[in-house]
Amino acid sequence: GEDVEQSLFLSVREGDSSVINCTYTDSSSTYLYWYKQEPGAGLQLLTYIFSNMDMKQDQRLTVLLNKKDKHLSLRIADTQTGDSAIYFCAETSENTGFQKLVFGTGTRLLVSP
Amino acid sequence: EPEVTQTPSHQVTQMGQEVILRCVPISNHLYFYWYRQILGQKVEFLVSFYNNEISEKSEIFDDQFSVERPDGSNFTLKIRSTKLEDSAMYFCASSERENGEQYFGPGTRLTVT
Repeated sequence: GEDVEQSLFLSVREGDSSVINCTYTDSSSTYLYWYKQEPGAGLQLLTYIFSNMDMKQDQRLTVLLNKKDKHLSLRIADTQTGDSAIYFCAETSENTGFQKLVFGTGTRLLVSP
Repeated sequence: EPEVTQTPSHQVTQMGQEVILRCVPISNHLYFYWYRQILGQKVEFLVSFYNNEISEKSEIFDDQFSVERPDGSNFTLKIRSTKLEDSAMYFCASSERENGEQYFGPGTRLTVT
């Protein structure tokens, strides 16, 4: 079945760039998402990319997709302390009729001043 | 900006009791979902719902679970006889179209004692 994996923890200094990585296993047409979860809050959709794209940029966020390696990354430029949160990679695919999101474990990003 | 809302934010119940978790999806959305996140684990898909029918469900979604859209705005998840292992954060999500991005509510924390 589908599986999504992420590293658990990333620590950066304010003003640096953060890169959060994710790998997935699905081979069919896929949408890949990044969600942000702040303490005690729900899942906020940040951005997404379809598997026929290589890159998507949205203000400080850049998503890169390496289809061959099934590797997705989220780059946050000029990281701020308010970016501290858990970031989830998730996918839906043609295999499941795009009906369910499969989530990674989440990467906890800590931004220090 | 339209958002998904969920009530209550926290529900405490005794084992064996029935609970109903409520969600109000975004008003023009047609696809509705429930997910859960047991503490320290991945967010897991439970069920998807469209046109007053379940379109997909996971192995977790057994006979103890049911979903309903009782009116034009609410979407509910019922657990008939709660178990200790049902303790989790339950998230509702909605999307405008079948392969559309899913927007999540803030979650209901269910504690079964």
